[in-house]
Amino acid sequence: EPEVTQTPSHQVTQMGQEVILRCVPISNHLYFYWYRQILGQKVEFLVSFYNNEISEKSEIFDDQFSVERPDGSNFTLKIRSTKLEDSAMYFCASSERGQYGYTFGSGTRLTVV
Amino acid sequence: RKEVEQDPGPFNVPEGATVAFNCTYSNSASQSFFWYRQDCRKEPKLLMSVYSSGNEDGRFTAQLNRASQYISLLIRDSKLSDSATYLCVVTGRSNYQLIWGAGTKLIIKP
Repeated sequence: EPEVTQTPSHQVTQMGQEVILRCVPISNHLYFYWYRQILGQKVEFLVSFYNNEISEKSEIFDDQFSVERPDGSNFTLKIRSTKLEDSAMYFCASSERGQYGYTFGSGTRLTVV
Repeated sequence: RKEVEQDPGPFNVPEGATVAFNCTYSNSASQSFFWYRQDCRKEPKLLMSVYSSGNEDGRFTAQLNRASQYISLLIRDSKLSDSATYLCVVTGRSNYQLIWGAGTKLIIKP
């Protein structure tokens, strides 16, 4: 079964540092997403990406965040200057048809110290 | 009102029991509805989409009432492997984003 692959599985970074979370979506999917889940809290939408541009973003996705699809296979989330409150599990997802058929990656646990 | 509200749980039920989850959503413009399950510290996995006509997949039955903005999930003959957190999910102001409930934890006891 096709998978969404995320790396690394766990990243520890110092406050103020930049981090890049990487995702390889399923190859024939056209829609890509980042979600996050702070420990013990609900899953929150960050951003959706389609046709090489952001299609929608949430209030959480401020200027500190950016996404890129640099090479046609990877889909990255960059946090420019991490804060303690950025500590969370970050899930990448892709879908073939918008909101249907989402497949999530296993997540990157980001710990900001 | 929360965008997606679920029973707080946890639900502790014996194996073989029937368990029902309830969910309400606030945005009447939401178009698509889902139930996901999430095991501890794992990614969410789609359990089933929910349609107005109701739909069934084996032991799982989902219902949608658009007028009441209410979604339900019924699990019959529960198994130990059904233990997980069940997440009610609806589309947001566009179909690009999913809005998640906080989830209801289910614990099936032998």
